[in-house]
Amino acid sequence: AQSVTQLGSHVSVSEGALVLLRCNYSSSVPPYLFWYVQYPNQGLQLLLKYTSAATLVKGINGFEAEFKKSETSFHLTKPSAHMSDAAEYFCAVTSGVGSGNTGKLIFGQGTTLQVKP
Amino acid sequence: KAGVTQTPRYLIKTRGQQVTLSCSPISGHRSVSWYQQTPGQGLQFLFEYFSETQRNKGNFPGRFSGRQFSNSRSEMNVSTLELGDSALYLCASYPGGDPVLSGNTIYFGEGSWLTVV
Repeated sequence: AQSVTQLGSHVSVSEGALVLLRCNYSSSVPPYLFWYVQYPNQGLQLLLKYTSAATLVKGINGFEAEFKKSETSFHLTKPSAHMSDAAEYFCAVTSGVGSGNTGKLIFGQGTTLQVKP
Repeated sequence: KAGVTQTPRYLIKTRGQQVTLSCSPISGHRSVSWYQQTPGQGLQFLFEYFSETQRNKGNFPGRFSGRQFSNSRSEMNVSTLELGDSALYLCASYPGGDPVLSGNTIYFGEGSWLTVV
């Protein structure tokens, strides 16, 4: 079975500070990992995805994430936070047809990012 | 290229009623998945359809059902509504096949906000 744990339901940073949102996964097969962002009253927007091509993945809006198999982690970072980054962030995992999961995503509980001026 | 379109965006229903939500995937996408998002349970997978066939199903009661049409559009239905069904229902689409092997991105719509009173 697959699972995702996001450490910290709320993270607060100052504008210009480093953003670090933590995600650990559990999977018995090679995972396919995503980070999505959700702004108030909106759907989910893809930030980036890991599909085994490269362990350091760059996404939109200056975000990036590093896949570390030994730590079963896929933490999201951004060097300098902007006020517009305030939103809820979700880490998700799937493992595709081989595991019978196909397009089913397993989500973490989400982390709300607050950016202080 | 139009994104995933969900209708209606907002609706209010009374306990015991039923509701039908609609999702039009991105053109060319053959897989449609549905998720329920609540503050308490987070994002939970409902079901996935591919080429008009249900390919995967989450742990929801039989009151929750869905279908997919030949044009890939999908509907989900909830019968005998309960207060706990109040949630944001999100639809996601991707081209189909194995998301891991193909590297396809799973895109989400804006969601349908259902309030049961």
